[in-house]
Amino acid sequence: DVQMTQSPSYLAASPGESVSISCKASKSISTYLAWYQEKPGKANKLLIYSGSTLQSGTPSRFSGSGSGTDFTLTIRSLEPEDFTVYYCQHYNEYPLTFGSGTKLEIK
Amino acid sequence: EVQLQESGPGLVKPSQSLSLTCSVTGYSITSNYWGWIRKFPGNKMEWIGHISYSGSTSYNPSLKSRISITRDTSKNQFFLQLNSVTTEDTATYYCARYHLDSSYIYPLFDYWGQGVMVTVSS
Repeated sequence: DVQMTQSPSYLAASPGESVSISCKASKSISTYLAWYQEKPGKANKLLIYSGSTLQSGTPSRFSGSGSGTDFTLTIRSLEPEDFTVYYCQHYNEYPLTFGSGTKLEIK
Repeated sequence: EVQLQESGPGLVKPSQSLSLTCSVTGYSITSNYWGWIRKFPGNKMEWIGHISYSGSTSYNPSLKSRISITRDTSKNQFFLQLNSVTTEDTATYYCARYHLDSSYIYPLFDYWGQGVMVTVSS
């Protein structure tokens, strides 16, 4: 199975700042990487797929980059609603696997 | 709008079977692929398996001997059965739709249910 190592587990920032979350795959997954946002009481939201393609409705302050084994989710100019949990997921092969999540908190 | 809703018992006894239903509205399950995912306490997420538009299935090898995913197209529902559960199956279970892009179905999830928490305990 492809192991996805996501870091950091926790991240504190202030509104208006920019942050980056890393996701590393245990082997090359090309650009078959998705990012999700999780909020309590709401359905998970697909933010980015193919490493860098924004899903319809994803604000432009979100961006994704990377290929092979190293990927990054960047959020610019943090808004209050961005402080929540983020996951990465590879879809290069089965079984699909997820990162361990990053909780973004307000500093 | 595509909506998914999980339902099922919140408490299951060890060694029994866990049965969950995913009810889909706004989209036919005879189109696309439909998956089950679970999130354990501590937030680790695990892909369980999927059922396709034709009814074919694929399962996580770690669970393959214990799971079955089926569907009822007349009700636009699909189901998860997990047998011989233990406390380690305690998790929040989600159903979700695979992503369709340019006529190709990708195994990532663009619509999710809100999840149903299942506790395995005697």
